[in-house]
Amino acid sequence: DAGVIQSPRHEVTEMGQEVTLRCKPISGHNSLFWYRQTMMRGLELLIYFNNNVPIDDSGMPEDRFSAKMPNASFSTLKIQPSEPRDSAVYFCASSQGSMNTGELFFGEGSRLTVL
Amino acid sequence: AQTVTQSQPEMSVQEAETVTLSCTYDTSESNYYLFWYKQPPSRQMILVIRQEAYKQQNATENRFSVNFQKAAKSFSLKISDSQLGDTAMYFCAFMKSRNNDMRFGAGTRLTVKP
Repeated sequence: DAGVIQSPRHEVTEMGQEVTLRCKPISGHNSLFWYRQTMMRGLELLIYFNNNVPIDDSGMPEDRFSAKMPNASFSTLKIQPSEPRDSAVYFCASSQGSMNTGELFFGEGSRLTVL
Repeated sequence: AQTVTQSQPEMSVQEAETVTLSCTYDTSESNYYLFWYKQPPSRQMILVIRQEAYKQQNATENRFSVNFQKAAKSFSLKISDSQLGDTAMYFCAFMKSRNNDMRFGAGTRLTVKP
């Protein structure tokens, strides 16, 4: 059974470029979360979706960040334009929501480096 | 807002010994869920153990157990018979309800020494 799949695993880009991170949650999970991990700030929740609907995006840093979930099996996190301070590991996670004890299943993360 | 505090940035333990990682949290909720996640150098986040606040019995998973003190809002992780493979970052996490977001502490870096 495949876990949460994220792509790309690594991304190096230049300041000002658009970055798109992708996530495929575990089939049957109805909640999806995007986290950002940095040394300075630890794991921060950016946004989460229930049944493809964004519930809380208060963690999204600024308007340069946007996230979509067009269907139950796919989500994107977009940064436009990217800045060096966006360099971090971005994790996607999914859960069964009310059908489970709340455990989040994480992808392997996308390491973003903005030069 | 819920906050999770891990006061030990780094810890070390000798192989085969026991170590306890501390976690406290702040919430006004009466029912919630607590978790410990492990992040090895491969950076994959792996669930170690979970506890539901309404359950008084402390959760146990093989060598891992918790000491859940609801009144004190404390949730410590005990690792018995430490193994080299236990070397990782350990994150304590809080979830208000099953359909809500999970908040993490800053993490404790554990090193198991041979």
